[in-house]
Amino acid sequence: DQQVKQNSPSLSVQEGRISILNCDYTNSMFDYFLWYKKYPAEGPTFLISISSIKDKNEDGRFTVFLNKSAKHLSLHIVPSQPGDSAVYFCAASAPKSSGDKLTFGTGTRLAVRP
Amino acid sequence: DVKVTQSSRYLVKRTGEKVFLECVQDMDHENMFWYRQDPGLGLRLIYFSYDVKMKEKGDIPEGYSVSREKKERFSLILESASTNQTSMYLCASSRRDRSYEQYFGPGTRLTVT
Repeated sequence: DQQVKQNSPSLSVQEGRISILNCDYTNSMFDYFLWYKKYPAEGPTFLISISSIKDKNEDGRFTVFLNKSAKHLSLHIVPSQPGDSAVYFCAASAPKSSGDKLTFGTGTRLAVRP
Repeated sequence: DVKVTQSSRYLVKRTGEKVFLECVQDMDHENMFWYRQDPGLGLRLIYFSYDVKMKEKGDIPEGYSVSREKKERFSLILESASTNQTSMYLCASSRRDRSYEQYFGPGTRLTVT
């Protein structure tokens, strides 16, 4: 049972344009959401997060939007750069009573074309 | 610079062998995690530990065990390796008060033949 879903395995975007990566979840107990970025031959690195009490969080070129009613979040990268080419994982965390676990999505491979 | 290191980048083992994957972090983090990453399945949690000698099962613990004798070190053990355990194994650590912000090692690509 995949509680966090990334339905697009890949995305290709022109440099300078907006990249939009999407993520859906099914567990209404999730209260914190994150995006991780992974380059080949490296471990994932934390990119940006959002609490369920907010609907938007911005950090430079990266913005995460949360729509709780739709159980959907998205990561916007503006403007996209070739160095953004990587696999992006969406992740979610439930309250402390469920432990310190993150549940990850399957990832979306972003390619930014020069 | 914070660091999570894993003992091997690549490992090839035979079916039935006992396999040890080691992970060390230098950030004094309380929490440590072991994941496996497979195409189309993302990262799946095998085991995690929130303190020395403490361990909790993740989503796919079958066929694995772990050991955490020291705060900085978390070992993943495959008691009898099987071909379906061929995968990329990732270790991570985090602070207890920011458990969601996990720092990952570079991974160990394990092939079981």
